[in-house]
Amino acid sequence: DIQMTQSPSSLSASVGDRVTITCRASQSISTYLNWYQQQPGKAPKLLIYVASSLQRGVPSRFSGSGSGTDFTLTISSLQPEDFATYYCQQSFTIPWTFGQGTKVDI
Amino acid sequence: QVQLQESGPGLVKPSQTLSLTCTISGGSVSSGSYYWTWIRQPAGKGLEWLGRVFTSGTPDYNPSLNSRVTISIDKSKNQASLKLSSVTAADTAVYFCARQNSAFYHFDYWGQGTLVSVSS
Repeated sequence: DIQMTQSPSSLSASVGDRVTITCRASQSISTYLNWYQQQPGKAPKLLIYVASSLQRGVPSRFSGSGSGTDFTLTISSLQPEDFATYYCQQSFTIPWTFGQGTKVDI
Repeated sequence: QVQLQESGPGLVKPSQTLSLTCTISGGSVSSGSYYWTWIRQPAGKGLEWLGRVFTSGTPDYNPSLNSRVTISIDKSKNQASLKLSSVTAADTAVYFCARQNSAFYHFDYWGQGTLVSVSS
């Protein structure tokens, strides 16, 4: 299985901050990397697919980059509704696997 | 707008079979553009992909489940279903159904999830 490792596991930030989360794959996955946001008690929500494509309806302050094994999710100006847990997921090969999550709190 | 809704027993006894249904609205389970997928999340932990099914063809499963999982679709009811046999306490989790886009294999729509506890 492809292992996905996120860093950091958690971070504290303030409204307006620029936040960057990193995801590393245990082998090259080209750009088959997706990002999700999960609020407590809710289902994950797709933010970014194939590394850098913004899902319809997702604010433009979210952006993704990377290829191969190293990827980043950036929130350019953190908003109150962005405090959540973020997961990366590889869609290169079965079994699809997720990172362990990065919790963003105040 | 596609909506997915999981349903099924919230409590299952050890060694029994967990059975859940995902009802799809605003879209067709017969669509050739999507897979119908099950994912679970133990309390306070990360996400685990269980398996997926297409409108036709053989389902794909996570090998970690040791052949305990079966996923199927019912076109007449526009539903996808999950069966997980020989459950233990380790199978206690929130179970999500999700639609997987066949273009880039991302999960673009999710159900709200349903908590299943395994306990005697």
